[in-house]
Amino acid sequence: QKEVEQNSGPLSVPEGAIASLNCTYSDRGSQSFFWYRQYSGKSPELIMSIYSNGDKEDGRFTAQLNKASQYVSLLIRDSQPSDSATYLCAVSRGRDDKIIFGKGTRLHILP
Amino acid sequence: EAQVTQNPRYLITVTGKKLTVTCSQNMNHEYMSWYRQDPGLGLRQIYYSMNVEVTDKGDVPEGYKVSRKEKRNFPLILESPSPNQTSLYFCASSLWDSPGEKLFFGSGTQLSVL
Repeated sequence: QKEVEQNSGPLSVPEGAIASLNCTYSDRGSQSFFWYRQYSGKSPELIMSIYSNGDKEDGRFTAQLNKASQYVSLLIRDSQPSDSATYLCAVSRGRDDKIIFGKGTRLHILP
Repeated sequence: EAQVTQNPRYLITVTGKKLTVTCSQNMNHEYMSWYRQDPGLGLRQIYYSMNVEVTDKGDVPEGYKVSRKEKRNFPLILESPSPNQTSLYFCASSLWDSPGEKLFFGSGTQLSVL
């Protein structure tokens, strides 16, 4: 059974600090890794994708991937109240394989 | 505007009364999928479709049907809804973008079965 594990939270972070969200996965054949953000009552929205070991930066967001440790993380710098949401980690073996979601981590940015 | 459109947004029904939730995308995506989201269980895939006339079961297909007669539409059918199908449903679509897929989600359908 392929699994994607996330701490459910809530993770409370002061405004302006760095929020660190973590995710582990069980399938060593996984090739594609995604972070989705979901505001309460809304649909998930893709914010980051990463395919190679290392860091990928996009604005205030940095995704980190370590395939040897089966670990992917999302860092949010200069956290804003608007970053308060549930963050879903998702993993796939790639094309022709379905994507598997973690249950999400609730992030709360404290003003 | 590129989007995935689901209807209705909210639906209250009674046990056993057949219903259909529609999903349409205007991005010419090959892949479409249905998910349900429940507290503490996360997003679970119900059915998916790789292309027209090609559908397959996801993790929780029992009690649901789908069809893919046209590339843009992927309706979800509940032939005899039961209270345990009360949930938030999302339709999603994507292009095959090697090496993975990036899903675009509809706005969701909150279904209550009494």
